[in-house]
Amino acid sequence: AQSVSQHNHHVILSEAASLELGCNYSYGGTVNLFWYVQYPGQHLQLLLKYFSGDPLVKGIKGFEAEFIKSKFSFNLRKPSVQWSDTAEYFCAVNPGAGSYQLTFGKGTKLSVIP
Amino acid sequence: DVKVTQSSRYLVKRTGEKVFLECVQDMDHENMFWYRQDPGLGLRLIYFSYDVKMKEKGDIPEGYSVSREKKERFSLILESASTNQTSMYLCASSRTMKGYTFGSGTRLTVV
Repeated sequence: AQSVSQHNHHVILSEAASLELGCNYSYGGTVNLFWYVQYPGQHLQLLLKYFSGDPLVKGIKGFEAEFIKSKFSFNLRKPSVQWSDTAEYFCAVNPGAGSYQLTFGKGTKLSVIP
Repeated sequence: DVKVTQSSRYLVKRTGEKVFLECVQDMDHENMFWYRQDPGLGLRLIYFSYDVKMKEKGDIPEGYSVSREKKERFSLILESASTNQTSMYLCASSRTMKGYTFGSGTRLTVV
């Protein structure tokens, strides 16, 4: 079965610091990749997604992610975080081939200190 | 905007009770999903459905069942609630794999 690994359970940054959250997946075929965000007390929202094409994907709120096929990775980045980015971030993988299932990582909590 | 509505935000039930969690979506999506979310474990798929009266087991179906009698409604049933089913339950729907839309969740406490 496929799995998704998020390297950090909790990341604490000061405002204006750069962010990189790691995500690796174990699946050999073509995949669709997602990052979701959950702000405190809110529902999960899609940040960005990768299906094909340019491996550098831009999402909402200044986030981007890079798909590196050889490393089975899809890391999330933001050059300068804000206090409002405090949230939990989830990487998710869909195996494609007609499947609609998403497998999620365990999540990374980001705390941004003003 | 697609809306996925979960009937209860918070529920408290007793051990052994039969519990129904309801989810309704308003965009005619074929696919609907139930996940549970636990700290440090992320989201785990319980059951999903591709069509009316159709259901498939996810990764952790034990102790749960589902019902999809109408396209817009997908119910999660805890046949006999236990304390280890205390969790946040998330419903989602999708038409394609372009992305899910999630509901706000139901926080269930079993005492």
